[in-house]
Amino acid sequence: QSALTQPASVSGSPGQSITISCSGTSSDVGSYNVVSWFQQHPGEAPKLIIYEGTKRPSGVSNRFSASRSGNTASLTISGLQGEDEADYYCCAHAGSRSLVIFGGGTKLAVL
Amino acid sequence: QLQLQESGPGLVKPSETLSLTCIVSGDSISSRTYYWGWIRQPPGKGLEWIGSVYYGGNTYYNPSLKSRVTTSVDTSKNQFSLNLNSVTAADTAVYYCARHGSSWYENNRFDPWGRGTLVTVSS
Repeated sequence: QSALTQPASVSGSPGQSITISCSGTSSDVGSYNVVSWFQQHPGEAPKLIIYEGTKRPSGVSNRFSASRSGNTASLTISGLQGEDEADYYCCAHAGSRSLVIFGGGTKLAVL
Repeated sequence: QLQLQESGPGLVKPSETLSLTCIVSGDSISSRTYYWGWIRQPPGKGLEWIGSVYYGGNTYYNPSLKSRVTTSVDTSKNQFSLNLNSVTAADTAVYYCARHGSSWYENNRFDPWGRGTLVTVSS
């Protein structure tokens, strides 16, 4: 099972909105709207920011939102802030009870 | 507050077995609601799920690693473990442990994570 496809990098200015895509197949992203998203700052462990497709854990800013269309999931960050500069990973349930796959990761630069 | 902490050797020789333990504090590993997972990240690269284990012993693994991986739970010590055998330089990575829900739609809901431990495979 190949990794989900994410752009290597995206950038935006403070206050702007950006969207990170996560492309999969009909066997993973397309079949199950339960994609999760993680934020990882350098030298730190990943942090869950979206689960079950669109839900935010307690304490995660509502500037983070997610959606899905077909085989592609998307993470949108609105009102960009410097602290949002990090790597972002999507993660999908992949068609059987025994498989979880991650995206390759996207580096977000806040210019 | 639930906390996870990985422990184990930072250096493993090629062809040997990588063994790590994740110590769980703040909650019981015997919770029927959760699985306990391992994820790794090679230096400068992305995340890869390795496998997950339930307190009762149920396990499931990434098919690409399944032939070399075993995971187990020690409820008396509130910890779980990872063994990866026949390692090569390609197994050099930061290894994380994390908790996720036991329902199928929660198997990618990894939260929280341990801080991670770097394991280098080198002679």
